[in-house]
Amino acid sequence: NAGVTQTPKFRILKIGQSMTLQCTQDMNHNYMYWYRQDPGMGLKLIYYSVGAGITDKGEVPNGYNVSRSTTEDFPLRLELAAPSQTSVYFCASSTLPSDEQYFGPGTRLTVT
Amino acid sequence: DQQVKQNSPSLSVQEGRISILNCDYTNSMFDYFLWYKKYPAEGPTFLISISSIKDKNEDGRFTVFLNKSAKHLSLHIVPSQPGDSAVYFCAASAGAQKLVFGQGTRLTINP
Repeated sequence: NAGVTQTPKFRILKIGQSMTLQCTQDMNHNYMYWYRQDPGMGLKLIYYSVGAGITDKGEVPNGYNVSRSTTEDFPLRLELAAPSQTSVYFCASSTLPSDEQYFGPGTRLTVT
Repeated sequence: DQQVKQNSPSLSVQEGRISILNCDYTNSMFDYFLWYKKYPAEGPTFLISISSIKDKNEDGRFTVFLNKSAKHLSLHIVPSQPGDSAVYFCAASAGAQKLVFGQGTRLTINP
C-alpha cells in the first residue's frame, strides 16, 4: 500500500518556467490537499479538493492551479514560476476534512 | 488570523526526560485535535489525537492533554528518546471543517 506518492522529489526551475507537481493516493480518499512549507514556517494550504471534479482555494492559491479528474490524482500546476514559490510542497489526503490526513514525502522546489 | 499557535519554535530536552510541547487555539468550535511528527525530508505523519469530549489521551510514551477552558493543548513525551527529534505540528478541526495547523515546534533530544 503506497499511500500518498509525489513526484518529483526535487526540482530547480528558472523564473518564468512552469511545471506540474504530481500527487497520487491509493486509499480511495475523497479529500486531497496541497500545502507548502517555507523554511521555519508551518503548513499553508494552497488548494484542496473534496472529490473528482471539485476543487477550492486555500490560504495561498495565487500562482497555482489544480485539477482533479480522478479520485487518485491531484496535480498542482505552477505557471510562471517566481522565487517566492521556492518551498517544500506536500500533498495529503483524508477520508473526511476533519480526519487525520496522510501526507506524501514532499517535493522540494527551488526557483532561481 | 492564526487560529492554532505553537509559540515555541524550538525545544531542547535531555534524553530520558519529559518533553512537553504546547499549542494554543482561539476557535472555541474546535472539537478534534491532532499531533503530527515530521522528520527532515519526509512528510508529516500522524502521532496522536484527542476529541473535545476527553481531556487526556495516551498512546505509549505519548500523552495529549486538552484544557478546553484555557484553549490549550499539550503533548507529553516520556521518556524522550533521540528518535523523537523532529518537528511537531498540532492541528485542530471544527465539526466537518478542514484541519488548521500550527507553525510547528522543532524538538531536539540531546544524549
